[in-house]
Amino acid sequence: ELKVEQNPLFLSMQEGKNYTIYCNYSTTSDRLYWYRQDPGKSLESLFVLLSNGAVKQEGRLMASLDTKARLSTLHITAAVHDLSATYFCAVLFMWNSGNTPLVFGKGTRLSVIA
Amino acid sequence: DAGITQSPRYKITETGRQVTLMCHQTWSHSYMFWYRQDLGHGLRLIYYSAAADITDKGEVPDGYVVSRSKTENFPLTLESATRSQTSVYFCASSESISSNQPQHFGDGTRLSIL
Repeated sequence: ELKVEQNPLFLSMQEGKNYTIYCNYSTTSDRLYWYRQDPGKSLESLFVLLSNGAVKQEGRLMASLDTKARLSTLHITAAVHDLSATYFCAVLFMWNSGNTPLVFGKGTRLSVIA
Repeated sequence: DAGITQSPRYKITETGRQVTLMCHQTWSHSYMFWYRQDLGHGLRLIYYSAAADITDKGEVPDGYVVSRSKTENFPLTLESATRSQTSVYFCASSESISSNQPQHFGDGTRLSIL
């Protein structure tokens, strides 16, 4: 079964603090995507992770991929209010007949408070 | 402007009615996707299309019909709407199913079925 699990699903954190969102997936993949969604808005691409050990950083966000552990992390450094949003990971699974369409996690709703 | 456009943005209809959601992209992407987003479920794939006249079911296809007569358009039809189909619907496109580029999402259609 193709499963993508994010945790936590809800996260309230203070400004200035660090935290990590986890994305576990069930079977072989070498491609993982992180998206951000603001309330009532569309999904915006944050990172594309294409191989084992890939690390991407943009501002206060850093994403990494460990294909052996089937795990991606999204690390938030010194959170600010503008980072409040819902974050989704999405996994491209490798299947016998080729790649499957993306499977999304349920999202992590992040709220950064003063 | 290049992009992906969904219409309408908001729609209210009654159970049993037929309703069609439109999606148009200007990138000439081969792949197009329809998702629904519901609280607690994240994004779930309804149907996708690899090219004109090629469509395939996703995770939750029941009650939906799609067509793709032209590369740039991918309409989604609810033939007899039910209350359980009240949701936010997102269309997305990408160059290929395993593209190094992320899927690009439209702004969504918020559909309410009374």
